[in-house]
Amino acid sequence: DQQVKQNSPSLSVQEGRISILNCDYTNSMFDYFLWYKKYPAEGPTFLISISSIKDKNEDGRFTVFLNKSAKHLSLHIVPSQPGDSAVYFCAASAEYGNKLVFGAGTILRVKS
Amino acid sequence: EAGVTQSPTHLIKTRGQQATLRCSPISGHTSVYWYQQALGLGLQFLLWYDEGEERNRGNFPPRFSGRQFPNYSSELNVNALELEDSALYLCASSRGVASRQTQYFGPGTRLLVL
Repeated sequence: DQQVKQNSPSLSVQEGRISILNCDYTNSMFDYFLWYKKYPAEGPTFLISISSIKDKNEDGRFTVFLNKSAKHLSLHIVPSQPGDSAVYFCAASAEYGNKLVFGAGTILRVKS
Repeated sequence: EAGVTQSPTHLIKTRGQQATLRCSPISGHTSVYWYQQALGLGLQFLLWYDEGEERNRGNFPPRFSGRQFPNYSSELNVNALELEDSALYLCASSRGVASRQTQYFGPGTRLLVL
């Protein structure tokens, strides 16, 4: 039962352009969403989060959008840089239990 | 500020043995989480500890267990190892039990069961 889905296994973007990574969820109890970046042989690195009471959160080049009615969130990276090449995971949690439910990840390649 | 640390980085065991993985959280963090990332699978929640107590458990058999020490560090024990336990085991920490706490991850322990 995949409660968090990242339907694009990979994405290739030119340096300087926008990268848009998408994530869908099915559990309406999720109220906190996070994006992590992961390089090979390293643990996930926290990027940005958003609470369900908001529909947008920005941090530098990273912006997360949440559409609760569609149960969809997206991560925008502008401008994309070669160092952004990594696997990006979307994660969600419900109010109780604190466990994060992760998507399968999307491999982002930023070409210079 | 030091991040989450895990040891060992790699661990090789044979089927039926026991494995012990260790985690030290970020200073000031009281909650420790364990996740498994098996090959070809996403990160799966294993366990959550806070203030020495198990707070939540994922859908894993009882041979996966752990504990949290008074200094908030944690151990994950896997008994009667099976081949499919081969995976990257990630530890994360956060401040307190309140929801919406960002979890920060360590580099992981790669367990290989032969």
